[in-house]
Amino acid sequence: GEDVEQSLFLSVREGDSSVINCTYTDSSSTYLYWYKQEPGAGLQLLTYIFSNMDMKQDQRLTVLLNKKDKHLSLRIADTQTGDSAIYFCAAVTGGFKTIFGAGTRLFVKA
Amino acid sequence: EAQVTQNPRYLITVTGKKLTVTCSQNMNHEYMSWYRQDPGLGLRQIYYSMNVEVTDKGDVPEGYKVSRKEKRNFPLILESPSPNQTSLYFCASSSLLRGARYGYTFGSGTRLTVV
Repeated sequence: GEDVEQSLFLSVREGDSSVINCTYTDSSSTYLYWYKQEPGAGLQLLTYIFSNMDMKQDQRLTVLLNKKDKHLSLRIADTQTGDSAIYFCAAVTGGFKTIFGAGTRLFVKA
Repeated sequence: EAQVTQNPRYLITVTGKKLTVTCSQNMNHEYMSWYRQDPGLGLRQIYYSMNVEVTDKGDVPEGYKVSRKEKRNFPLILESPSPNQTSLYFCASSSLLRGARYGYTFGSGTRLTVV
């Protein structure tokens, strides 16, 4: 079945760039998303990219999509301690169903 | 404020005692869904609903029931909870009319412990 995979942990220093990677299996996915989950809270949509785009930039966030390799990445420039959270990659599959990865916990060291 | 409201936030119960987790959204969204979040497994879909009186199973529906009698409400029912249903549960909603680009709006979660 459809699957989304991402690494579980990433640690960076404050001020560095963070890159969180994700792979997905459903080549027909139209939208791919990045969600952020802060402690004790639900998931919040950070950004999305449509499948016919290669890149999307939104302030400190850059999303890269390699559709051939089914690889998605999220780059956070100038990472701050407030960026510490769990980041979920997600993909819309057939119909309206969204498949989520296991989440990457980002640790930002001051 | 546009939001998805879940209650309760925390619940400890005993095996076999029926419980209901409520979910309500104020955005007139057609699509609503329940997920459970477990460490290392991410979010797995339990049930979803495309509109009133239209519900369907997700990936892990065993031991759960749902209903969608009104557009705004989508309660999750555990008829006979078991310890393997100890988890963090999220309700989410989305507008089918606006399209997938807007993603889901999530509730704050319900942490359930079954002893």
